[in-house]
Amino acid sequence: GAVVSQHPSRVICKSGTSVKIECRSLDFQATTMFWYRQFPKQSLMLMATSNEGSKATYEQGVEKDKFLINHASLTLSTLTVTSAHPEDSSFYICSARTGKGDQPQHFGDGTRLSIL
Amino acid sequence: QKEVEQNSGPLSVPEGAIASLNCTYSDRVSQSFFWYRQYSGKSPELIMSIYSNGDKEDGRFTAQLNKASQYVSLLIRDSQPSDSATYLCAAKGGGFKTIFGAGTRLFVKA
Repeated sequence: GAVVSQHPSRVICKSGTSVKIECRSLDFQATTMFWYRQFPKQSLMLMATSNEGSKATYEQGVEKDKFLINHASLTLSTLTVTSAHPEDSSFYICSARTGKGDQPQHFGDGTRLSIL
Repeated sequence: QKEVEQNSGPLSVPEGAIASLNCTYSDRVSQSFFWYRQYSGKSPELIMSIYSNGDKEDGRFTAQLNKASQYVSLLIRDSQPSDSATYLCAAKGGGFKTIFGAGTRLFVKA
């Protein structure tokens, strides 16, 4: 149980392109979803937290106009990196959690984004 | 003080030994505790959750929680080279967020 599906797993695109990443909870209702970014050999960095039907809460230093997050249903959240540039190249990982009690977060497999 | 602190390592143990990974946490995240394993280039996967004082065992893994000392640990018995990874300690208080430690790198030498 508690499977989170994330795709695409890898994206390579030109600078200036917008990239959309999808995150789905397959067998549970994800009242809260999280988006992380991780650079090589560094820690997970939380970008934003989203609750279904509400606007995402962004961490300090994360541009909300650059990283658009939509959590339209209890099983789907999307992250759109708008007008991506080489410095946006990173490993983006979503995670999801049900709102019931103190349940753990479950992670998707991540999306490796490379901007040329 | 960081909310969740771990020694970055690397921790190196021989195959078959017990690996002991430690984590301390602050008052703000003192409700639920989790251990994740992250292989290089992959996303984290949940190993254990622990919510009350004492030990919780699952196969070769034992999580230990000591709320008085604000300390949570993960023991890996009979360590295997395939256990080599970064282990993330995570803790949650009353809010939405789970706070992750920076991780401890474990190397199990064959």
